[in-house]
Amino acid sequence: GENVEQHPSTLSVQEGDSAVIKCTYSDSASNYFPWYKQELGKRPQLIIDIRSNVGEKKDQRIAVTLNKTAKHFSLHITETQPGDSAVYFCAADSGGYNKLIFGAGTRLAVHP
Amino acid sequence: EAQVTQNPRYLITVTGKKLTVTCSQNMNHEYMSWYRQDPGLGLRQIYYSMNVEVTDKGDVPEGYKVSRKEKRNFPLILESPSPNQTSLYFCASSSLQGGTGELFFGEGSRLTVL
Repeated sequence: GENVEQHPSTLSVQEGDSAVIKCTYSDSASNYFPWYKQELGKRPQLIIDIRSNVGEKKDQRIAVTLNKTAKHFSLHITETQPGDSAVYFCAADSGGYNKLIFGAGTRLAVHP
Repeated sequence: EAQVTQNPRYLITVTGKKLTVTCSQNMNHEYMSWYRQDPGLGLRQIYYSMNVEVTDKGDVPEGYKVSRKEKRNFPLILESPSPNQTSLYFCASSSLQGGTGELFFGEGSRLTVL
């Protein structure tokens, strides 16, 4: 079955710097790769997603890149702000098994 | 307002005492799912449902039951809770099947089993 590994587990940056979180997946049949943000004490919420027919997607300060050959995808946050501090989860669909498999999460801290 | 509602939000119980966590969505979504969140393990799927009367196991179904008698409701049942089921539980729904679209999560239910 699908396995998703996420790195790093914690990330600390200064406000204004960029942050990059990387994920690898095992199932070559996976086609959908979302990223969720979970603020402290809150529910996870989708911030961006990408499907396998594109290599990159951007939404203001957030971008996701996908390399299907290498089976990895990354979240890029530019000009970080304290409000970006949260736990970020990557995920991949299970290639037809009706599941979304999540990574273990990255705790991002943005310091003023 | 479109939402997924879970109850209770917090619960402390004892080993073996049956409990039910309710989940209801008002978005007419066919796909619903339960996850548990544990430190360092991310979100792990317990059970999911693709439509009324259609349910299937996720990755960690042991010790749990679900039912889907109505489209909007997807309760999670712990017949005989044990301490290893202490966790934060999230219900989620989606308009697309198989986790291939945005998941809308409830606010979470923090369960402690003593």
